[in-house]
Amino acid sequence: GAVVSQHPSWVICKSGTSVKIECRSLDFQATTMFWYRQFPKQSLMLMATSNEGSKATYEQGVEKDKFLINHASLTLSTLTVTSAHPEDSSFYICSALHQGLGQPQHFGDGTRLSIL
Amino acid sequence: RKEVEQDPGPFNVPEGATVAFNCTYSNSASQSFFWYRQDCRKEPKLLMSVYSSGNEDGRFTAQLNRASQYISLLIRDSKLSDSATYLCVVNTNAGKSTFGDGTTLTVKP
Repeated sequence: GAVVSQHPSWVICKSGTSVKIECRSLDFQATTMFWYRQFPKQSLMLMATSNEGSKATYEQGVEKDKFLINHASLTLSTLTVTSAHPEDSSFYICSALHQGLGQPQHFGDGTRLSIL
Repeated sequence: RKEVEQDPGPFNVPEGATVAFNCTYSNSASQSFFWYRQDCRKEPKLLMSVYSSGNEDGRFTAQLNRASQYISLLIRDSKLSDSATYLCVVNTNAGKSTFGDGTTLTVKP
């Protein structure tokens, strides 16, 4: 089945550090990838849609200068949390959409980000 | 009103019970439908797609009613390992996915 790899799975950093998270589709090409954030006991919140070769589309209330997204190839999207602060601590999950109508999203393992 | 609404739960059932989750969606342009399960502190995993004719995968049965814009998931003979949060996901043709908030199921011995 489709596999999406996300790295790193756990990050603990000092406040002010920038953190880069990678999302790779391992056995299929993904023109579209999604980045979500999930706080404890809350539902997934879509942050942005990442399209290969073009600028990401951010959801309302998500700062694009804070959360930099790059989708340079059909198998890789990256999310960089710039100058992270404790309130950015969360579970970040990427997903990739298999090409073709009616296909489900496949999720990465998620990255647990803790900012001290 | 949310685009995708699910029973909030939680559902607490004994092992062996049959439990059903419901999900309604508001966008009539929705084209594809899925159920995911999410375990605590893990990513969502695809459980099954939902087809108009209804589909079954072992103990799990999913149904779609386009006229009522309603999706259901039935779990028979519940196992302890079925304890998780179940997410209803609706896609439009443009590839936009909308997630329900999830329904939490706890299966007890």
